[in-house]
Amino acid sequence: AQSVTQLDSQVPVFEEAPVELRCNYSSSVSVYLFWYVQYPNQGLQLLLKYLSGSTLVKGINGFEAEFNKSQTSFHLRKPSVHISDTAEYFCAVSDQWTGNQFYFGTGTSLTVIP
Amino acid sequence: EAGVTQFPSHSVIEKGQTVTLRCDPISGHDNLYWYRRVMGKEIKFLLHFVKESKQDESGMPNNRFLAERTGGTYSTLKVQPAELEDSGVYFCASSPHRDTQYFGPGTRLTVL
Repeated sequence: AQSVTQLDSQVPVFEEAPVELRCNYSSSVSVYLFWYVQYPNQGLQLLLKYLSGSTLVKGINGFEAEFNKSQTSFHLRKPSVHISDTAEYFCAVSDQWTGNQFYFGTGTSLTVIP
Repeated sequence: EAGVTQFPSHSVIEKGQTVTLRCDPISGHDNLYWYRRVMGKEIKFLLHFVKESKQDESGMPNNRFLAERTGGTYSTLKVQPAELEDSGVYFCASSPHRDTQYFGPGTRLTVL
């Protein structure tokens, strides 16, 4: 089974500053990787995904993530955050071959400070 | 296209009572998943349906939880009898293929 680590439970950042939310996973088998965002009082929204191809993936709202197989990481970045990016962010991994359950990290709460 | 819907959005019950959560997947999605997040912890897999069949129920915590998917459309998750540790947010997701999953807004269950 996979395990997913989001080392930072809370990340405060000033508006217009860059941010990186870290995600590491345990297994070296072929995986699919996802970032989801949960805005206050809403459900999980897909931010971006890596299935295959280019290791740099671009998502909605100016976010991007880079798949690093050797370091088993999939860190999420944004060069300039906005107040509306305040939310909880979840990294998820699934096994490419069985593709059933997703394994989630514990989430990172991003707070953008005006 | 309508997204995944879940009902109710919130449920508060007493220990020992029964609660039934409902999920309506995106139309045409054969794969339906249930997950649960206990406060402060990671979102954990409960089970996976392909159409009306249970493909994987390895995450179901115990036999107080019963999931069904009638006719391969909507799904219900019944907890009977509910215990305090069942409190959390229950998410449903659906997928047309075994890669991307689309999540509903969740049902927040509080057992007193």
